[in-house]
Amino acid sequence: GENVEQHPSTLSVQEGDSAVIKCTYSDSASNYFPWYKQELGKRPQLIIDIRSNVGEKKDQRIAVTLNKTAKHFSLHITETQPEDSAVYFCAARVTGNQFYFGTGTSLTVIP
Amino acid sequence: DTAVSQTPKYLVTQMGNDKSIKCEQNLGHDTMYWYKQDSKKFLKIMFSYNNKELIINETVPNRFSPKSPDKAHLNLHINSLELGDSAVYFCASSQLSSYGYTFGSGTRLTVV
Repeated sequence: GENVEQHPSTLSVQEGDSAVIKCTYSDSASNYFPWYKQELGKRPQLIIDIRSNVGEKKDQRIAVTLNKTAKHFSLHITETQPEDSAVYFCAARVTGNQFYFGTGTSLTVIP
Repeated sequence: DTAVSQTPKYLVTQMGNDKSIKCEQNLGHDTMYWYKQDSKKFLKIMFSYNNKELIINETVPNRFSPKSPDKAHLNLHINSLELGDSAVYFCASSQLSSYGYTFGSGTRLTVV
């Protein structure tokens, strides 16, 4: 089955700096890669996604890049703000609608 | 409000008890899921139902039994609760033909 690895597990950045979270996947048939943000005590919420026929997608301060050859994808957050502090999960979808989640990255933005 | 709603939000119970968690979605999705999030925040799928039919059944103790009376509901019944069952359980839904999940707000289960 699919195996998704996510790094780093914790990340601290100064407010205004950029944050990058990386994920790798094992199954070349994976075709959809969402990112979820989970604030403390709340549900995971989709913040951005990318499909396998696209290399990069941007939405305001967040962007995702996908390298299908290397089987890795990354989340980039620019101009970080304290409200960006949360746990971020990457995921990969192979067939049907089952997602394999990464182990999460706890991001802390220091004011 | 369109949403995935779970009840209860918190559940504290003693070892050996049987409990149920309910999930309802009014998004018109045809697929529903149960995920377990442990203390290390790892999200692991347990079950998935598509149009009331079980399509994913990961390696989960048979003390856990999902029930889907209709497309909009997926309940989780747990028998003989153990300390290790303590976790946050998330329900989610999606349209199988599309891509995204919508998660419920979670049920924090504490077994004492």
